[in-house]
Amino acid sequence: QSVLTQPPSASGTPGQRVTISCSGSNSNIGSNTVNWYQQLPGTAPTLLIHTFNQRLSGVPARFSGSRSGTSASLAISGLQSEDEADYYCAAWDDSLNGPVFGGGTKLTVL
Amino acid sequence: QVQLQQWGAGLLKPSETLSLTCGVYGGFFTGYYWSWVRQSPGKGLEWIGEVNHGGSTNYNPSLKSRVTLSADTSKNQVSLELKSVTAADTAVYYCARGRMGDIWGQGTMVIVSS
Repeated sequence: QSVLTQPPSASGTPGQRVTISCSGSNSNIGSNTVNWYQQLPGTAPTLLIHTFNQRLSGVPARFSGSRSGTSASLAISGLQSEDEADYYCAAWDDSLNGPVFGGGTKLTVL
Repeated sequence: QVQLQQWGAGLLKPSETLSLTCGVYGGFFTGYYWSWVRQSPGKGLEWIGEVNHGGSTNYNPSLKSRVTLSADTSKNQVSLELKSVTAADTAVYYCARGRMGDIWGQGTMVIVSS
């Protein structure tokens, strides 16, 4: 069981907006920054967003992140076929003194 | 552009020691923590631990008794050793830069099987 909770799957059609949630606790999301990673099949995770909503250079503006309390969200607007991937949230956890991860959300573009 | 390149044995028998190395190319080695994370179908992404260029370490308590991380500043490499492996240690192992992993290695599939 992952410390951070994500829905196992999400889907949308091209052009739609989808949101992926990530639920944690006061020891992680509630008090530390959140990162979002994209993992394409057979490859390593790549960092998309750090510090809640800061996109890495080269990441399209249609990817955005937010936090509210002990939950975070990744929103993808103008969905494209190349967005089909697994998405993971992560946050530093003060109890573990290390990062914790969500179980991942498999995004399907219909 | 910084790249992390991993290597090490991919097939182990139970009770053996897993040993992986991660080389850092094209960027600074000092001033960063270097993390190890593993990914298995049953447990998702799991943080193993971190080491900085000075050798200071921080381990996941669930693995602490079996893990050793080290850093070699002369070679810009970090290494992972995991003792007494079992089938539960079968996973893809990644090295990553930073405490939260902003750049990741390509991953090494490690299978533990008798």
